[in-house]
Amino acid sequence: DQQVKQNSPSLSVQEGRISILNCDYTNSMFDYFLWYKKYPAEGPTFLISISSIKDKNEDGRFTVFLNKSAKHLSLHIVPSQPGDSAVYFCAAIMNYGGATNKLIFGTGTLLAVQP
Amino acid sequence: NAGVTQTPKFQVLKTGQSMTLQCAQDMNHEYMSWYRQDPGMGLRLIHYSVGAGITDQGEVPNGYNVSRSTTEDFPLRLLSAAPSQTSVYFCASSLSAGVAGNTIYFGEGSWLTVV
Repeated sequence: DQQVKQNSPSLSVQEGRISILNCDYTNSMFDYFLWYKKYPAEGPTFLISISSIKDKNEDGRFTVFLNKSAKHLSLHIVPSQPGDSAVYFCAAIMNYGGATNKLIFGTGTLLAVQP
Repeated sequence: NAGVTQTPKFQVLKTGQSMTLQCAQDMNHEYMSWYRQDPGMGLRLIHYSVGAGITDQGEVPNGYNVSRSTTEDFPLRLLSAAPSQTSVYFCASSLSAGVAGNTIYFGEGSWLTVV
């Protein structure tokens, strides 16, 4: 049973527009969430995180929103750039500061930013 | 700074063969782990280690063996390869086992095909 779901396998966006990547989770005990970005033939790299005590966290062009009641988080990229084209994974964990071995990853969304 | 280095990058095995995927990190990280990534699924944890001499099972450990004799190295052994082990394997390391505020570094991946 997939506890962290990314229901859109792919997303295509024009350069300069907003990209919105979605992630849903089923376990209400999750309280820390992360987004990773993965280019082809490379390993995932950390992008941004959010704790359940917040509903928004920004880092430059990247903003993550958390809706705890809906068990939903989203990653907004504004403006989107061709270099943002990659697979994006969301991940979740229980117990803020919990151990990495308990990190649950979503299935990933492939973002293509068209020039 | 090499980060996390995995070898080989590509490997084709016959069913029943054994092999070792190598992983080395030069960041003096205590925590190391192995994941596999399969189509339509998130990264799943195979084995992890919180320090030299200490290993434990993750979500999908069957058919794999690990050891951690040094801080730098964390090899993953396939004991008797099966087609179900066809996957992309990622080694990861981090300074400690906690998630919050602790960046996880991934290797570039090893593509394994079992025929």
